Amino acid sequence: DGGITQSPKYLFRKEGQNVTLSCEQNLNHDAMYWYRQDPGQGLRLIYYSQIVNDFQKGDIAEGYSVSREKKESFPLTVTSAQKNPTAFYLCASSGRDRGPNQPQHFGDGTRLSIL
Amino acid sequence: RKEVEQDPGPFNVPEGATVAFNCTYSNSASQSFFWYRQDCRKEPKLLMSVYSSGNEDGRFTAQLNRASQYISLLIRDSKLSDSATYLCVVHGGYNKLIFGAGTRLAVHP
Repeated sequence: DGGITQSPKYLFRKEGQNVTLSCEQNLNHDAMYWYRQDPGQGLRLIYYSQIVNDFQKGDIAEGYSVSREKKESFPLTVTSAQKNPTAFYLCASSGRDRGPNQPQHFGDGTRLSIL
Repeated sequence: RKEVEQDPGPFNVPEGATVAFNCTYSNSASQSFFWYRQDCRKEPKLLMSVYSSGNEDGRFTAQLNRASQYISLLIRDSKLSDSATYLCVVHGGYNKLIFGAGTRLAVHP
């Protein structure tokens, strides 16, 4: 089955630690995205990538980093500079086969908490 | 003004009721619009795209009013399983989507 896989489902971060969230897709989508969702709030865009080896900052990129070395993979690192990392992190992807402005499809998310 | 605004609810309705959600957006150049459904502690899932002429999918009807910059979602004959948060989503250009904070629906017996 095609889809987006995020791991781990739950993650705990110690103070001063960097942690990496995994996102893999087998939908052959060009574009991938990382969002953060806080309780009772909408999704906020952290980073996005339209093609391999290229990515752009979203609205709240500070304290985060990404890489896009392969089309299938878009890992997110939450660095120690992100002082309030507790949130629900969602990875998404979208294709262009039916033109631009396509909807995005989501993985089932990673819940990150501070120890 | 937020780019995408929704009434947070909650909308508490009995089974079988018809309920409508509205959403306004600020960017008049937006070209694509969607409704997503998000269950508690789960990822958003695409419910339907919204087309200029309006579109229907079973009990769900989506409408777009470009002149007034609002989108609506109508749910007829509500089921218990419709209880969720409904996210209004507007294309922000460059393959970016702008998400509203969502409207919570609770359908009770």
